[in-house]
Amino acid sequence: GAGVSQSPSNKVTEKGKDVELRCDPISGHTALYWYRQSLGQGLEFLIYFQGNSAPDKSGLPSDRFSAERTGGSVSTLTIQRTQQEDSAVYLCASSLAGGTTPGDEQFFGPGTRLTVL
Amino acid sequence: AQTVTQSQPEMSVQEAETVTLSCTYDTSESDYYLFWYKQPPSRQMILVIRQEAYKQQNATENRFSVNFQKAAKSFSLKISDSQLGDAAMYFCAYRSVYGQNFVFGPGTRLSVLP
Repeated sequence: GAGVSQSPSNKVTEKGKDVELRCDPISGHTALYWYRQSLGQGLEFLIYFQGNSAPDKSGLPSDRFSAERTGGSVSTLTIQRTQQEDSAVYLCASSLAGGTTPGDEQFFGPGTRLTVL
Repeated sequence: AQTVTQSQPEMSVQEAETVTLSCTYDTSESDYYLFWYKQPPSRQMILVIRQEAYKQQNATENRFSVNFQKAAKSFSLKISDSQLGDAAMYFCAYRSVYGQNFVFGPGTRLSVLP
């Protein structure tokens, strides 16, 4: 597709369950970012990928959060043993070159709204 | 660590009028990028305008322009001839030329009144 896609668009889960959120970046984009946006708040950086490696994991809030990227394309954000405070919109973005060109525009996906009951 | 502040949680403007959204940031670095992103109700974040710190000339994109005051660490967004489609959350963001992540402000919700 032409833009960044994310799936599912909405996810409702029970406390304690694991969830996987998927991001398909724009083809050819080497950099991929995950953000969390709580209700009415700004974006909280979670993790950044350059290719398949993640040089910056500093934003992951706990060891329940992990992410991987395979083939320099699709990325999965996994949240284990979900808690109610994990409820938020999770946004993915990609950019052409990432850290080598810091002025690059990030292109965002529509997000996944996660609700933990 | 860098921080970005947007002191106006909500703003409103009459259609066809001009509005200015404020953004200040804190950094010890001399070169960086600043961005304004728009997030309409659809949740899709869209880049509005960007500015590189070493460029003194203020960036403009059609009806959107910035007032970049490096010494004051201020980066305000001016929207001229406001349109109903401009209604959205607006986020100011900072990126170091050395770092990998973006730092976003808390956002300003802009309403456009017909």
